[in-house]
Amino acid sequence: DADVTQTPRNRITKTGKRIMLECSQTKGHDRMYWYRQDPGLGLRLIYYSFDVKDINKGEISDGYSVSRQAQAKFSLSLESAIPNQTALYFCATSGGFRNSEAFFGQGTRLTVV
Amino acid sequence: GNSVTQMEGPVTLSEEAFLTINCTYTATGYPSLFWYVQYPGEGLQLLLKATKADDKGSNKGFEATYRKETTSFHLEKGSVQVSDSAVYFCALSDQSGNQFYFGTGTSLTVIP
Repeated sequence: DADVTQTPRNRITKTGKRIMLECSQTKGHDRMYWYRQDPGLGLRLIYYSFDVKDINKGEISDGYSVSRQAQAKFSLSLESAIPNQTALYFCATSGGFRNSEAFFGQGTRLTVV
Repeated sequence: GNSVTQMEGPVTLSEEAFLTINCTYTATGYPSLFWYVQYPGEGLQLLLKATKADDKGSNKGFEATYRKETTSFHLEKGSVQVSDSAVYFCALSDQSGNQFYFGTGTSLTVIP
């Protein structure tokens, strides 16, 4: 099983619908992140969480919300999806130490029509 | 603030050619530096990392050296293979290890 699991892998939804992307991890890490990947823009941080009670906005949080249900689970919601939220979404975790790397899920490809 | 600038792609090389993908960074303090690789349809995987000045990270024939004087972390491979075709991301983490900053990615295609 993957260390970081995202569901669903692919999703097509209609404009205005609410959608939730889920992420779970078995690394035992406190730090969890949601990124969005768009061609030519690299990865942009949406939200991050350093523990269950600590949620922080990233550079592009507008239109998104998150929930940290447990140390291992971090969900991203689009309250009312719009077409420019069509993108590849990644969840990541990190040990939070100075030299720690980030571990990524396989991504969720979201299309808003 | 912290940021990463990497060579724009796409890059197309013939098999066995030499690869260089340039990466420079701006950071306060002593960041750690990373190269990630993303194969089609997959998430990012760590390729190599370096955590202090003059460290060389290496993996699968790829190498990169942490150069503090030029704030660079260029990725090199002496002889690329078709299986190296992927998108490569340069990244740094801040001194606390809590935040990551990514370049825009460089797409590499290796043709037989």
